[in-house]
Amino acid sequence: GAGVSQSPSNKVTEKGKDVELRCDPISGHTALYWYRQRLGQGLEFLIYFQGNSAPDKSGLPSDRFSAERTGESVSTLTIQRTQQEDSAVYLCASSFSGPQYFGPGTRLTVL
Amino acid sequence: GDSVTQMEGPVTLSEEAFLTINCTYTATGYPSLFWYVQYPGEGLQLLLKATKADDKGSNKGFEATYRKETTSFHLEKGSVQVSDSAVYFCALEPNAGNNRKLIWGLGTSLAVNP
Repeated sequence: GAGVSQSPSNKVTEKGKDVELRCDPISGHTALYWYRQRLGQGLEFLIYFQGNSAPDKSGLPSDRFSAERTGESVSTLTIQRTQQEDSAVYLCASSFSGPQYFGPGTRLTVL
Repeated sequence: GDSVTQMEGPVTLSEEAFLTINCTYTATGYPSLFWYVQYPGEGLQLLLKATKADDKGSNKGFEATYRKETTSFHLEKGSVQVSDSAVYFCALEPNAGNNRKLIWGLGTSLAVNP
């Protein structure tokens, strides 16, 4: 079946602009996770959704970052007033009481 | 807090060599442990997992045993192939509630030469 998909695959933006990253989880997966992978670093947890609620937002680095999820479906991660340090690969994963399955990621470059 | 430490790369081996990538962890309780692999140009894929002490995860010739006494989950393969060239990530899932956010090591890059 279809895996986790993310769009866009690449995004180049100018400092100060807002960006929206999209994740389509595997159908039926109730849990959805966003992670960030900066160059040369491990993955950092950002936020966890169970259904459309977010019980754990502890990894969001600042109030410029927000995310929402529609039911048990699509999620969008929004970064406002982007900064150069936001440049990274943003990964989405989904699961249903088992291991997490990852999308291909969105590579964000802030100039 | 919980953390994962894995050996730094890059690791370069010849085909058919023995592979070990060390991974140790710090966690409260009884976490689940995972190895994920990222092949060039592809997304992260689950390679293997173990959910309790002394469990052995295995897949594609790779193995890792959950050792609670040494808090380790080292990845091994007896004979690597060129196609095993990838970045390998060790991760743990804290055993706390429904939130299964993963805590990650930094990744170890493996290059296998013919």
